Amino acid sequence: AQSVTQLGSHVSVSEGALVLLRCNYSSSVPPYLFWYVQYPNQGLQLLLKYTSAATLVKGINGFEAEFKKSETSFHLTKPSAHMSDAAEYFCAVSGKSDYKLSFGAGTTVTVRA
Amino acid sequence: DAGVIQSPRHEVTEMGQEVTLRCKPISGHDYLFWYRQTMMRGLELLIYFNNNVPIDDSGMPEDRFSAKMPNASFSTLKIQPSEPRDSAVYFCASSLGRSSYEQYFGPGTRLTVT
Repeated sequence: AQSVTQLGSHVSVSEGALVLLRCNYSSSVPPYLFWYVQYPNQGLQLLLKYTSAATLVKGINGFEAEFKKSETSFHLTKPSAHMSDAAEYFCAVSGKSDYKLSFGAGTTVTVRA
Repeated sequence: DAGVIQSPRHEVTEMGQEVTLRCKPISGHDYLFWYRQTMMRGLELLIYFNNNVPIDDSGMPEDRFSAKMPNASFSTLKIQPSEPRDSAVYFCASSLGRSSYEQYFGPGTRLTVT
């Protein structure tokens, strides 16, 4: 079964600094991978997805993620944090045999002025 | 284009009462998912449907929980009787399917059982 592990439940960055959120997956076959963002009192919003095309995936709000098969990783980055990036971020994985997603535990990002 | 719609957005009820949560998926989506989110357990998949048919309900915590999808545009999650430990945010999500795996989430229903 597919699963993901998010390293770090909380990340604090200064405004303008690099945002790096780590996600490692466990899958016997190359999976489909996703990053979602959840703002307070809202549902999850899709940031970006990897579906075996380009390994570097660009998403909304300036975020991107790189799929590295050798490291079984799918880390999320943003070069310059903005105050509006404060939210909880979830990594998720789907196999190709069904349409369920397995979510990580989430990483809460706070942005310091 | 309307996203996933959930109602009510907030529900406060007393222990023992029946609670019904509603969801309207995105038109044309073949899959519908019900999740529960709590601080302690994170995001849990309760049940999902494909073309209105329940496929996997292994995440439904107890027989007190039931879900239906009578047609492609409507689903309900019912808790009867409700208990304080059912307090959580319940999300509905839908997915196109047909090799498109991303899910689109509704705004959630915050349930408080006193």
